[in-house]
Amino acid sequence: GAVVSQHPSRVICKSGTSVKIECRSLDFQATTMFWYRQFPKQSLMLMATSNEGSKATYEQGVEKDKFLINHASLTLSTLTVTSAHPEDSSFYICSARGRVTGSYEQYFGPGTRLTVT
Amino acid sequence: AQSVAQPEDQVNVAEGNPLTVKCTYSVSGNPYLFWYVQYPNRGLQFLLKYITGDNLVKGSYGFEAEFNKSQTSFHLKKPSALVSDSALYFCAVRDMRSGATNKLIFGTGTLLAVQP
Repeated sequence: GAVVSQHPSRVICKSGTSVKIECRSLDFQATTMFWYRQFPKQSLMLMATSNEGSKATYEQGVEKDKFLINHASLTLSTLTVTSAHPEDSSFYICSARGRVTGSYEQYFGPGTRLTVT
Repeated sequence: AQSVAQPEDQVNVAEGNPLTVKCTYSVSGNPYLFWYVQYPNRGLQFLLKYITGDNLVKGSYGFEAEFNKSQTSFHLKKPSALVSDSALYFCAVRDMRSGATNKLIFGTGTLLAVQP
């Protein structure tokens, strides 16, 4: 149990285009989903927290108009990188928080490698 | 300020030897502590957590961690390392500030390299 998927696993896009990344909790309901960004050989940087049916809460320094987050259901959240630029190239990881085996934990997706050319 | 420190960027150990990956934390109140492992180009996998109770926590793949309140540490250990344990390890603490909505604060990660 407690599987989180991300799609796509890798994406290459041209500068100026938009890219959507999906995060799904496959076997549990996620009241909260988190989006992280990870640069090579660095830690995870929390970008935003989203609760189902409400607006995402963005961390300081993260542009909400550039990184659009939608949490439309208890099993799906999407991150759209708008007008992507090469500096947006990174590894994006989502996590979903839900109650599995009696306790609430965060479960992480496998990540999406975004390359902007 | 709440924070997690992993003082070693890399730990090298020979297969079969015991390993320790260090983590110290700074948080208000009682900490909720976690260890995750990340393999190349993959997301994080949960290893173990400490919430309350016994200071020695046992987790997945033979790993364990010891919570030491006086030293504010939560070091990850394994009695006998395997080459397949080679990966990036993250220590994390739950952000206990009001309104933090269960955020995790991660350390910078420690790369474990186990030599055959």
